[in-house]
Amino acid sequence: QVQLVQSGAEVKKPGASVKVSCKTSGYTFTDYFMHWVRQSPGQGLEWMGWMNPQSGGTGYAQKLQGRVAMPMDTSISTVYMELSRLTSDDTAVYFCVREYRGSYDFWGQGTRVTVSS
Amino acid sequence: EIVLTQSPDFQSVTPKEKVTITCRASQSIGSDLHWYQQKPGQSPKLLIKSASQSISGVPSRFRGSGSGTDFTLTIMSLEAEDAAAYYCHQSSSLPETFGQGTNLEIK
Repeated sequence: QVQLVQSGAEVKKPGASVKVSCKTSGYTFTDYFMHWVRQSPGQGLEWMGWMNPQSGGTGYAQKLQGRVAMPMDTSISTVYMELSRLTSDDTAVYFCVREYRGSYDFWGQGTRVTVSS
Repeated sequence: EIVLTQSPDFQSVTPKEKVTITCRASQSIGSDLHWYQQKPGQSPKLLIKSASQSISGVPSRFRGSGSGTDFTLTIMSLEAEDAAAYYCHQSSSLPETFGQGTNLEIK
C-alpha cells in the first residue's frame, strides 16, 4: 500500500533552516510528481512547490523563491523540503503529497514546524 | 494567481440533510478542480477529483459537479462522521491554490 512517512516535529529559532523528509513506499517512486503543502495554525492550505522524481525538476511558489528547495534521494525513495531564513510566519504543519493527474491522492501525516525565539 | 472562493465558510447541519458547498474560481479552470476532507488532527483526504470523478473507497454520498469557474460538492445525506473541513483545490495553473475551506458542524 502507498505510504508517505514524514520526519518528526521541529522547533527552530528565527533565521534558522529546517529540512523535512518524506519517505515513500508502495509504488514506483519515479512515476509520480510530489508536492509540498503547508497549513498554518487554524488556517487553510498553501501550496509550496512540486518536484519530478524522474528528472529532478522542481518548481516553487514565488513567495518562497530563494528560501525553499525540494531535493530527493532516489536510492531511498525519499523527498525533502528545505526552508531557510525561517520567520514566525513559517510556523505550520508541512505535508508532502503525491500527485495523480492533478489531484493529491496520498498525503503524508504532516510535520509540525514551530519557529520561536 | 487563481483565487478559489468557497461558500459558506461554516455550516451547521443535521444528519440526513443534503449539504451543498460551492467553489468559485477567479478564472476558468476547466475541470481541474479537486475536493478534500480534513478532520481535526488528520491530513486532508481526497474526496473528488477532476470536478466530478469519484474516488475508490469514498462513500457514494459525496458528489462533485461543475466546470469552468463554478463547482459544487454535494453530500447527499449527511452522516455524523462527515463533520470536517472541506477544501477545493485547482491544478489548472501554477501556483496551485486552495479555497479557504468550509467547516461543517453536525447538530
